[in-house]
Amino acid sequence: DAGVIQSPRHEVTEMGQEVTLRCKPISGHDYLFWYRQTMMRGLELLIYFNNNVPIDDSGMPEDRFSAKMPNASFSTLKIQPSEPRDSAVYFCASSFRQEVYGYTFGSGTRLTVV
Amino acid sequence: AQSVTQLDSQVPVFEEAPVELRCNYSSSVSVYLFWYVQYPNQGLQLLLKYLSGSTLVKGINGFEAEFNKSQTSFHLRKPSVHISDTAEYFCAVTPRGTGKLIFGQGTTLQVKP
Repeated sequence: DAGVIQSPRHEVTEMGQEVTLRCKPISGHDYLFWYRQTMMRGLELLIYFNNNVPIDDSGMPEDRFSAKMPNASFSTLKIQPSEPRDSAVYFCASSFRQEVYGYTFGSGTRLTVV
Repeated sequence: AQSVTQLDSQVPVFEEAPVELRCNYSSSVSVYLFWYVQYPNQGLQLLLKYLSGSTLVKGINGFEAEFNKSQTSFHLRKPSVHISDTAEYFCAVTPRGTGKLIFGQGTTLQVKP
């Protein structure tokens, strides 16, 4: 199993540009989560899906952020337009019965908006 | 609403000494409890979890944690740390039935030679 795969690993973009982060969860997992990690705010849950349906997006900071999960093997997090304060590491995680097996995290995407 | 408080942002300790990383939580419903570790420039890895039953749980790398319901705590311990244990440690809770994982702010464990 290749684990949770995120791409790209690093992204540098200019303010105002659109940014798309990608995630491939582990096959068979029915939950998918997007987190943002910064020094100031720690790990924040942005949104999570169950069986491809968004369950809770209360952590999405504003309308510039959107997330989709068109099928069980792919999810995107889009920021449009990007701003310097969006600079952070974005993690994707997936789980199956997470209370038993826990989440599996990807290696993250380090986003820098200049 | 649920919240997780890690009482120490940084814990410096000498190699082979014991360590305790403290975690308290607040929740109006029952929760599952977890500890995760993050090594530099990596994702998070599950150390251990408490679901039910024995309040003392053992995890990987020699770590253990004890659930104390009355004090709503889930402190992480290791009797003898190694340099390789230097990392960020996160306590987290899941309200039962939600599948949602809520993290504390993290504790940086710095093991010195």
